[in-house]
Amino acid sequence: AQTVTQSQPEMSVQEAETVTLSCTYDTSESDYYLFWYKQPPSRQMILVIRQEAYKQQNATENRFSVNFQKAAKSFSLKISDSQLGDAAMYFCAYRSAGTDSNYQLIWGAGTKLIIKP
Amino acid sequence: KAGVTQTPRYLIKTRGQQVTLSCSPISGHRSVSWYQQTPGQGLQFLFEYFSETQRNKGNFPGRFSGRQFSNSRSEMNVSTLELGDSALYLCASSLVPGQGTKTQYFGPGTRLLVL
Repeated sequence: AQTVTQSQPEMSVQEAETVTLSCTYDTSESDYYLFWYKQPPSRQMILVIRQEAYKQQNATENRFSVNFQKAAKSFSLKISDSQLGDAAMYFCAYRSAGTDSNYQLIWGAGTKLIIKP
Repeated sequence: KAGVTQTPRYLIKTRGQQVTLSCSPISGHRSVSWYQQTPGQGLQFLFEYFSETQRNKGNFPGRFSGRQFSNSRSEMNVSTLELGDSALYLCASSLVPGQGTKTQYFGPGTRLLVL
């Protein structure tokens, strides 16, 4: 069974600085997807970024980028120029990609990101 | 394009009652998944529906059930509510399973409190 681990329950960063959130996962599959979701106090789960395992290039979305290390099963999220609106819980999630697979998201425990003004 | 909608947003029930939650996916999305989020257990998968059929089910008792209609709208039902069912219930929709990026887009959730 696949597992996702986020070892940092809480992180804090000064506004405008850069922060990296860690995520590791365990799987025997070769084809899968990885996601970072953000959940602000409103509790709405918002997609931040996604990575296809077959792509070697790291995904980027504006100030958000990932460091995907497939061999190490690591998928960290880097937030550059942190803004107050980035304060939220961040969840790392895994999803199988095979056509016969179970498509449920498997979640990490989350990292609470605090932005200091 | 409108996002995923969930109704009601908040609900208070007492033990032993039953509850029905509704989810309308993004237009064109045919797969709907449900998740339970609690402080103790985190996010847990409940079930996934596609074309009115349950494709997968998580490790929850039979009190938790769901269904999907021909317009892809989905409902989940919890019977004989227990205190531990208090949670945020999230619905997510995606394109046809097996195609595309398989990204799930979430609704705002229904917060259920069981007293």
